[in-house]
Amino acid sequence: DTGVSQNPRHKITKRGQNVTFRCDPISEHNRLYWYRQTLGQGPEFLTYFQNEAQLEKSRLLSDRFSAERPKGSFSTLEIQRTEQGDSAMYLCATRRQRKTGNEQFFGPGTRLTVL
Amino acid sequence: RKEVEQDPGPFNVPEGATVAFNCTYSNSASQSFFWYRQDCRKEPKLLMSVYSSGNEDGRFTAQLNRASQYISLLIRDSKLSDSATYLCVVNLEDFNKFYFGSGTKLNVKP
Repeated sequence: DTGVSQNPRHKITKRGQNVTFRCDPISEHNRLYWYRQTLGQGPEFLTYFQNEAQLEKSRLLSDRFSAERPKGSFSTLEIQRTEQGDSAMYLCATRRQRKTGNEQFFGPGTRLTVL
Repeated sequence: RKEVEQDPGPFNVPEGATVAFNCTYSNSASQSFFWYRQDCRKEPKLLMSVYSSGNEDGRFTAQLNRASQYISLLIRDSKLSDSATYLCVVNLEDFNKFYFGSGTKLNVKP
């Protein structure tokens, strides 16, 4: 257990529905990342927060995706009007204040299945 | 071209074997390097950081060649429990981005 938690662990939804995932980071980690991982691939970067500020967004993050981190603590990732191609594992990772070489710690992920 | 390239494997080896994985990265500005291990349907977990001078942690040895933009992981005396996917990761600190390879799958057989 890395100390990063994600909820729910599994989500099955019908195409067109909205879903929201939550990540609770390690408390002293001010940097938070969201990734998407599909079978046979490594995690792909979606977005990054430093405290409450969203500093970077991938081109993978279409306008149906939105992420927030109010007060620089937990973060949510919402997918609107889900599509079957959104089925994947959504991983949250956190790391400490800027220091070269600091690794990321991953949560257990939320596995999304869109029917 | 992908930022990080790995041989997907699988590498099927007997217990006790020595196995080596390689990884190449495309951005010469990459600053930090890691190997993560990922078990089936689980999250990635840090195996070891990779330092310029090379480093060892028990049965695991990591090497970095900045000139060739190449990272390696050597596992000696393989155990059944080493069976997993090994992800090569590079970090561009200035951009706060981590790039993951697709992973190399290792199967250690009795």
